[in-house]
Amino acid sequence: AQSVAQPEDQVNVAEGNPLTVKCTYSVSGNPYLFWYVQYPNRGLQFLLKYITGDNLVKGSYGFEAEFNKSQTSFHLKKPSALVSDSALYFCAVISNRDDKIIFGKGTRLHILP
Amino acid sequence: DTGVSQDPRHKITKRGQNVTFRCDPISEHNRLYWYRQTLGQGPEFLTYFQNEAQLEKSRLLSDRFSAERPKGSFSTLEIQRTEQGDSAMYLCASSLGQGADGYTFGSGTRLTVV
Repeated sequence: AQSVAQPEDQVNVAEGNPLTVKCTYSVSGNPYLFWYVQYPNRGLQFLLKYITGDNLVKGSYGFEAEFNKSQTSFHLKKPSALVSDSALYFCAVISNRDDKIIFGKGTRLHILP
Repeated sequence: DTGVSQDPRHKITKRGQNVTFRCDPISEHNRLYWYRQTLGQGPEFLTYFQNEAQLEKSRLLSDRFSAERPKGSFSTLEIQRTEQGDSAMYLCASSLGQGADGYTFGSGTRLTVV
């Protein structure tokens, strides 16, 4: 069965500092990995994805994520955080053997001015 | 086409009443998904359609829940005899094919059962 773990319920970072939001996954088959962001009372917005190829993927709003197959991780990163990055972030996975995306429980990111 | 639309945005209903939500996907997307999100949790899969065929239903989808996509375009999710535990955000998403490119989500319908 597929699963996604986001070990941190909340991450606090000072504005201008680098941020990392952690994600590990478990799938049968090859993983397709995603990060989504959710603002209050809104649906999920796509940030970036890993399908194949370069392990470092770049997405919207300056975010990037690194796929690490040996550690089954897909951590989200940004070199310099903005207050407007404060939101709820979800890591998600689908395998090439399944038909639906499975989401982690989310990590709330607080960027402190 | 401006994306995935969901209606209504908010619904407050009394326990025991029936409610129906609508989702209009991106027009060229053949797959449509319903998820439920409760406070402090990630979205949980409920069901999905490929065109008009409902291909999978989660165990979360009790017999009080029914979903349809009659013409392979919009979809409805009906909850009969609502319970307070049904209070959640109901999210609809669509994709072209399996979803390796990710899903496009609507803004959701927030249901409150009082």
